[in-house]
Amino acid sequence: DTAVSQTPKYLVTQMGNDKSIKCEQNLGHDTMYWYKQDSKKFLKIMFSYNNKELIINETVPNRFSPKSPDKAHLNLHINSLELGDSAVYFCASKPRGYNSPLHFGNGTRLTVT
Amino acid sequence: AQSVTQLGSHVSVSEGALVLLRCNYSSSVPPYLFWYVQYPNQGLQLLLKYTSAATLVKGINGFEAEFKKSETSFHLTKPSAHMSDAAEYFCAVSDLQGAQKLVFGQGTRLTINP
Repeated sequence: DTAVSQTPKYLVTQMGNDKSIKCEQNLGHDTMYWYKQDSKKFLKIMFSYNNKELIINETVPNRFSPKSPDKAHLNLHINSLELGDSAVYFCASKPRGYNSPLHFGNGTRLTVT
Repeated sequence: AQSVTQLGSHVSVSEGALVLLRCNYSSSVPPYLFWYVQYPNQGLQLLLKYTSAATLVKGINGFEAEFKKSETSFHLTKPSAHMSDAAEYFCAVSDLQGAQKLVFGQGTRLTINP
């Protein structure tokens, strides 16, 4: 009964490859997010979707392409992976309202070699 | 735009001692503030949130935070630290301009000494 689930948990791949991370939430939230956490633990928003519509795109290279087939799913596809893409990627969802908290998945640790 | 600053990237306390993690916010309007905890190899878990109902907010695991408008602060405290409190703690503010998102501070790593 996991609320926000991401797969895979770990992803090790070589430079130049293309990979995807999947995210699903069963909380009925309309809004979903992708955050990137770097090696210094800093969390930065990448994308946000509201009911399948892209609403936030924070100066992320166009090698990153989010896709939301429905409001319960938000996937992240990364083309031509680079060493600097190594990080932990977190999916999150949120109900409506500025005072509503984010609910996070457990993260996907991406290592590019 | 709203932002938060966490003072101290690393805080170390003894077991049983007071925990104080500092967070200052920048906002032109009354903010919505949050504290999250991240245990190793896990996602972020909500500790507590401030939404203007009360300035002293109680959260899970014995943590609480006090909103002080005059100091633009929302510091996190716990009277007596446990070994299990060792984790990374993040303060966050809801960005009220544009789309709804949380803006996080740099994080504070809390270490508990036996």
